[in-house]
Amino acid sequence: DQQVKQNSPSLSVQEGRISILNCDYTNSMFDYFLWYKKYPAEGPTFLISISSIKDKNEDGRFTVFLNKSAKHLSLHIVPSQPGDSAVYFCAASGGSNYKLTFGKGTLLTVNP
Amino acid sequence: GAGVSQSPSNKVTEKGKDVELRCDPISGHTALYWYRQRLGQGLEFLIYFQGNSAPDKSGLPSDRFSAERTGESVSTLTIQRTQQEDSAVYLCASSFSTGRNIQYFGAGTRLSVL
Repeated sequence: DQQVKQNSPSLSVQEGRISILNCDYTNSMFDYFLWYKKYPAEGPTFLISISSIKDKNEDGRFTVFLNKSAKHLSLHIVPSQPGDSAVYFCAASGGSNYKLTFGKGTLLTVNP
Repeated sequence: GAGVSQSPSNKVTEKGKDVELRCDPISGHTALYWYRQRLGQGLEFLIYFQGNSAPDKSGLPSDRFSAERTGESVSTLTIQRTQQEDSAVYLCASSFSTGRNIQYFGAGTRLSVL
C-alpha cells in the first residue's frame, strides 16, 4: 500500500516559468511533510518542509502548499532554472514516528 | 567530514555472497537511518538507530539483513547470502534527533547482485 503518491513520473517546464510538483498521501496520521531533491549519483538533499498546522511555507523560490482535507501537497518553484532539473521526492512522517515515507519521485526537467 | 559518508559507492557481488556497507554519519547526529531505493521506486525504510536505544529493525526485509552501530558513530549494514532482488541503492541518513529534525543523506551505495 503506497501511502505517499507522486502520480507524475516526469515534468518538463521552460526556464523562467513555474514548476508545480504534486504529492498525495493516504495516512491521516502524517503531520509533517518534506520535499527532497536528488541529482544523479548523489543522495537526496532537503529542500523545504511543512507542518500540518500550516498550509503554506515559503523559502526563496520554493513554496510548499498543504491541503489537509484533500491530503494533498504541492511544491511550487518560481522562476524555474535549469539547475533545478532533478528528481523531487515527497516524504511524510507522523507523530512520534521518525520514519520518512517517500513517494516514487518526479523527474523535473527545466529547459533553457 | 561535513556530510554523511558511505562506502563503497558501488559494489558488485555474486549471488550468495555476503556484503557489508558502511555509513559515517555527521558528527553530533544521534539518529541514523538506513533506506533502500530500488529502481523506479521511492526510498524504503530499513532500520533506525537512536543513541544507545534498541534499534528499530521493523523495515528489514528478511533475516539476511542486519545492521550495527557503535555508539553514535559508524554503522554497518550487512546482507548475507545476497539475492538478485537485493540489487538497489542503499542510502544512509543521520539527524540530530528524532521527530521533526531533518534527515541528511549520504550519496548511497549502489549494490548489484549478479
